[in-house]
Amino acid sequence: ETGVTQSPTHLIKTRGQQVTLRCSSQSGHNTVSWYQQALGQGPQFIFQYYREEENGRGNFPPRFSGLQFPNYSSELNVNALELDDSALYLCASSSPTEGGAPEQFFGPGTRLTVL
Amino acid sequence: QKEVEQNSGPLSVPEGAIASLNCTYSDRGSQSFFWYRQYSGKSPELIMSIYSNGDKEDGRFTAQLNKASQYVSLLIRDSQPSDSATYLCAVKRQGAQKLVFGQGTRLTINP
Repeated sequence: ETGVTQSPTHLIKTRGQQVTLRCSSQSGHNTVSWYQQALGQGPQFIFQYYREEENGRGNFPPRFSGLQFPNYSSELNVNALELDDSALYLCASSSPTEGGAPEQFFGPGTRLTVL
Repeated sequence: QKEVEQNSGPLSVPEGAIASLNCTYSDRGSQSFFWYRQYSGKSPELIMSIYSNGDKEDGRFTAQLNKASQYVSLLIRDSQPSDSATYLCAVKRQGAQKLVFGQGTRLTINP
């Protein structure tokens, strides 16, 4: 157990709808990254939040957006859902470390199915 | 060319043997390297990180890094059926936020 929690566990939506996924970071971690993992593929970086600001973004359209709150928890919002958005959405928390790369620890994920 | 490449497998290894998982990467600016284990239907779990050339051992796991050859590997000694999972290699540039993952290697340990 990493201490990173995500909700909901599973979600079924229809094309065109909007969805909000939630993540609580591990205690002491102030950075949250979101990844999308399609079946049979490695996770793809969506974006990262640090101190409530977006701190890097992958190759995802603007309909993917996010928030980070003062308690470091985070939301991922996806508008105008498409069938290809069906995937496992992973939240990873980390904390900057002096002299090294912060390791990222994943939550259990949210399985999104778009019909 | 993919940024991080792994053989998708499946890799089948008898119980008690050494499992060897390999990963190559294209970005010479990569500074940090990670191995994650992912059981079917679960999220990735960090098992090893390595930042310097050479070997790093943790229990039955050994990570090996060769930056000149842009190659990182994971050895699992005394393989157990519980090691059956997909192993994801991830790399990170210095100062970058994102982890770049390979597609993973599916490992099966046969009793």
